[in-house]
Amino acid sequence: NAGVMQNPRHLVRRRGQEARLRCSPMKGHSHVYWYRQLPEEGLKFMVYLQKENIIDESGMPKERFSAEFPKEGPSILRIQQVVRGDSAAYFCASSPRQVYGYTFGSGTRLTVV
Amino acid sequence: AQTVTQSQPEMSVQEAETVTLSCTYDTSENNYYLFWYKQPPSRQMILVIRQEAYKQQNATENRFSVNFQKAAKSFSLKISDSQLGDTAMYFCAFMKTGGTSYGKLTFGQGTILTVHP
Repeated sequence: NAGVMQNPRHLVRRRGQEARLRCSPMKGHSHVYWYRQLPEEGLKFMVYLQKENIIDESGMPKERFSAEFPKEGPSILRIQQVVRGDSAAYFCASSPRQVYGYTFGSGTRLTVV
Repeated sequence: AQTVTQSQPEMSVQEAETVTLSCTYDTSENNYYLFWYKQPPSRQMILVIRQEAYKQQNATENRFSVNFQKAAKSFSLKISDSQLGDTAMYFCAFMKTGGTSYGKLTFGQGTILTVHP
């Protein structure tokens, strides 16, 4: 079992471009969570998805950010028209059910220049 | 809404000694989980220990143990026989059970622990 796979590991985007972050959950996991970690801070919850459904997006900024977890393929976190303040590490986690087996990926570090 | 507070931004300890990291939380929930995660320089989030709120017995995992005081809403982590590999950022986290937020972790600000040889 390969664990939670996130790619790319590092992503550099110019202001105004789009960033797409991918997360492949562990085999058998149907729950996916995205978190953002700003420098020197803890992780902040963004969104919780199950296959084809957004369960809780209370931590997502209202504009420019979207997430999906299609029936086939990885979960995608999309940030449109990136700004410098979007620079952060973005972590994905997955679980077979909500608590046990909850596993984090290694994160994607987004740098906006 | 839940909040988690770690009041120690940085801690240091000598190798083989014991160190305790503090965490307090605020919630009106009765059923929840508490966690300690370790984040080394590699950035990987590693689960150290988990405590179910309904259990009175403190969780232990080898050299790691917690002091869970539910009434005081306190959840400290004790690391015994500290090793150089324990050097990392440590995060305390809260998860309530039930409802649509089940699965959502609320993290504290973190404590940087340095183990000196």
